[in-house]
Amino acid sequence: DVKVTQSSRYLVKRTGEKVFLECVQDMDHENMFWYRQDPGLGLRLIYFSYDVKMKEKGDIPEGYSVSREKKERFSLILESASTNQTSMYLCASSLFRGRYWREGREADTQYFGPGTRLTVL
Amino acid sequence: KQEVTQIPAALSVPEGENLVLNCSFTDSAIYNLQWFRQDPGKGLTSLLLIQSSQREQTSGRLNASLDKSSGRSTLYIAASQPGDSATYLCAVRRRDNYGQNFVFGPGTRLSVLP
Repeated sequence: DVKVTQSSRYLVKRTGEKVFLECVQDMDHENMFWYRQDPGLGLRLIYFSYDVKMKEKGDIPEGYSVSREKKERFSLILESASTNQTSMYLCASSLFRGRYWREGREADTQYFGPGTRLTVL
Repeated sequence: KQEVTQIPAALSVPEGENLVLNCSFTDSAIYNLQWFRQDPGKGLTSLLLIQSSQREQTSGRLNASLDKSSGRSTLYIAASQPGDSATYLCAVRRRDNYGQNFVFGPGTRLSVLP
């Protein structure tokens, strides 16, 4: 079974602090994703990565950065946390070999971590 | 811009009933559509993924259909059980530069009453 783990289930930080959220997957997946989930807004993609050291902006990258130094680990960084970044953060991974789309259920299926509920005071 | 909606927002049914959840998307140029389940305060669990070339997928008591031309998908749950209570989300994989972005619907919160 694919396992995606996130470093913390709950996190409380103060405005202006630098925040690191870590995600690790153990199935040699190429793609990793960071989403945030807010009531009424659903899941929105922040950043994704299709290879080590490669990253692409999602729909709402402002105020965030990411790092992927190793294939199994994808970090989300809030350089200076703000109250509007209080949210549930979800990490996901998928097999998807290569940068360009190829059809395949196994390649496309996204596996999610348990989520980190971040509160910024 | 791709938009995904789900109707109803919430549904409550007695145990044993068959039920249908609906997902609609505005742009039919999709690669695939995935249905997820989310329990309160937890991450998402993938249930079914339908490729754009397929019409339906089945897994146990779940059956998902896809009508790309009309921008609709349904998730059919047979003989519902209290353990099926959760929020169900659909997500479409859109055809953008890298084909890797999913757009999620807001979800349908399902309660199955014993």
